[in-house]
Amino acid sequence: KQEVTQIPAALSVPEGENLVLNCSFTDSAIYNLQWFRQDPGKGLTSLLLIQSSQREQTSGRLNASLDKSSGRSTLYIAASQPGDSATYLCAVPTSGTYKYIFGTGTRLKVLA
Amino acid sequence: ETGVTQTPRHLVMGMTNKKSLKCEQHLGHNAMYWYKQSAKKPLELMFVYNFKEQTENNSVPSRFSPECPNSSHLFLHLHTLQPEDSALYLCASSQSGGRTDTQYFGPGTRLTVL
Repeated sequence: KQEVTQIPAALSVPEGENLVLNCSFTDSAIYNLQWFRQDPGKGLTSLLLIQSSQREQTSGRLNASLDKSSGRSTLYIAASQPGDSATYLCAVPTSGTYKYIFGTGTRLKVLA
Repeated sequence: ETGVTQTPRHLVMGMTNKKSLKCEQHLGHNAMYWYKQSAKKPLELMFVYNFKEQTENNSVPSRFSPECPNSSHLFLHLHTLQPEDSALYLCASSQSGGRTDTQYFGPGTRLTVL
């Protein structure tokens, strides 16, 4: 059974810092991994989707990496800004289905 | 409107009430999803509809009844709920329900059951 864990659960950093959010999963037979952002009381916004054949994806100040063999993904945020404050979720589809399993998220606060 | 919309945004109901949540997607997608997000728990998939047919029911209690009249609309009918059903209910859509599809989420309905 696929389980997704995110560490840390919460993170508070000063503006301008580079930071790394971690996601680990127990079943490495994944088709892809997706990172989402959720602002308080709102829905999820897809940030990056990494296919299983890829090792990383970049979008602006965000870079996500995937290491299937070790069951890990990281989301790197460069030069963090207060507007980056949100909860970041990673999700992987279970083997053979489109059912996404989500982690519990990392709640990020970037201080001005 | 664009994207995925959900109404109402907030709902308070008693345990004996009957209410419905509505989701509409304006993306031309063929798959729609209901998720439940409870405090301090991971997002849980409830139902999946692909081309209006229900393809996934993740052991959801019968007090939750989904309806998908067409590919653009998805409802969640609620009756005799329990306080533990209080949560954020999120709707999502994707092109075809495939494993590689990005899911687009609505803003959610915050449900409180008294």
